[in-house]
Amino acid sequence: QQPVQSPQAVILREGEDAVINCSSSKALYSVHWYRQKHGEAPVFLMILLKGGEQKGHDKISASFNEKKQQSSLYLTASQLSYSGTYFCGTEDNYGQNFVFGPGTRLSVLP
Amino acid sequence: DVKVTQSSRYLVKRTGEKVFLECVQDMDHENMFWYRQDPGLGLRLIYFSYDVKMKEKGDIPEGYSVSREKKERFSLILESASTNQTSMYLCASSLEGPKYGYTFGSGTRLTVV
Repeated sequence: QQPVQSPQAVILREGEDAVINCSSSKALYSVHWYRQKHGEAPVFLMILLKGGEQKGHDKISASFNEKKQQSSLYLTASQLSYSGTYFCGTEDNYGQNFVFGPGTRLSVLP
Repeated sequence: DVKVTQSSRYLVKRTGEKVFLECVQDMDHENMFWYRQDPGLGLRLIYFSYDVKMKEKGDIPEGYSVSREKKERFSLILESASTNQTSMYLCASSLEGPKYGYTFGSGTRLTVV
């Protein structure tokens, strides 16, 4: 079953922060995040495994709350290059049935 | 730079035609995948393969078939194209399932008229 992402779309000014959420009705083993810029292939950002970990690189980080079956992606001091569609992908508690969410479109304006 | 290459960026085909979408990866990955991307629906898995000559149905296999005769090449076949198969098709490969992330090709935008 496909995870739910919110919001569907967000518009920011350069330097502002954003949070993208991903939630599932199933118990999760892992959550993955990808970014797809317009006209390009999706690019893998990070994977979070159950255990409540938090990860990040540069000014993009994410958390995974396995009890709530949800993950959040945090974009801090957004840059123009952050524009694109962000997809989460989830694996169920058995590490199987990987499925992508519908995506969140992020637009960063100057 | 490692790559997944899809043979066509844009394709226009007629209803009823047999369509072949080709994908080649140079990373020696075991796993290859075909996804379909539609607005508001995200990426939906059509078929995947864990080894040469092996294939598994994904979430939306109807109307599609696949072929993997060599490790580096994974082909998606639309036996008789229909207008509802107009979409962006993305090929991906991975070392070991989704664990280390997928590497995607740039996609083939297929229009069936």
